[in-house]
Amino acid sequence: EAGVTQFPSHSVIEKGQTVTLRCDPISGHDNLYWYRRVMGKEIKFLLHFVKESKQDESGMPNNRFLAERTGGTYSTLKVQPAELEDSGVYFCASSAGIGNTIYFGEGSWLTVV
Amino acid sequence: QKEVEQDPGPLSVPEGAIVSLNCTYSNSAFQYFMWYRQYSRKGPELLMYTYSSGNKEDGRFTAQVDKSSKYISLFIRDSQPSDSATYLCAMSAGRGSTLGRLYFGRGTQLTVWP
Repeated sequence: EAGVTQFPSHSVIEKGQTVTLRCDPISGHDNLYWYRRVMGKEIKFLLHFVKESKQDESGMPNNRFLAERTGGTYSTLKVQPAELEDSGVYFCASSAGIGNTIYFGEGSWLTVV
Repeated sequence: QKEVEQDPGPLSVPEGAIVSLNCTYSNSAFQYFMWYRQYSRKGPELLMYTYSSGNKEDGRFTAQVDKSSKYISLFIRDSQPSDSATYLCAMSAGRGSTLGRLYFGRGTQLTVWP
């Protein structure tokens, strides 16, 4: 069974540009999460989808970040315009249900220069 | 004050040693406690999962939770070079839809040398 897959694995963009990260959760997992780790800090929660609905987006840092999950399958996280402080690793995770094991992807490494 | 405190290390031990990793937390609402292992350039992988206070053992790994002290531990017995990784503690308040919102420590980098 395929795990959580993320694309791209690495991205280097200039300040002010737009980047879109994609996450494919484990098949059948209704719950999808985005987390982020910036350099030297802990992994922090961004938001939680249940199917296509945003269950909790209280961790989104500001309105430059937009997450979508059309059709309740894959999800995208768009950063527009990117700032230097957005550099870090963006993890996607999924679980079959709330309370079930949360499986993480390998992350999308974003560098804003 | 951070929600979860974890000494980032690094921690270096010889093969066969007993490793003790710890986290403290401030939010008394946390009820679910997890340890994740993360190899370099990989995603976190769930290692142990504990609900409320108590101990849980799985092979060479033992997780302990002391809610009265807001302190959790992970012990690794007979450590192996393959255990070299970053160990992350994570916890959740576990109330309804927020159960999936995990609060992580910064991670402890462990190296087990042969």
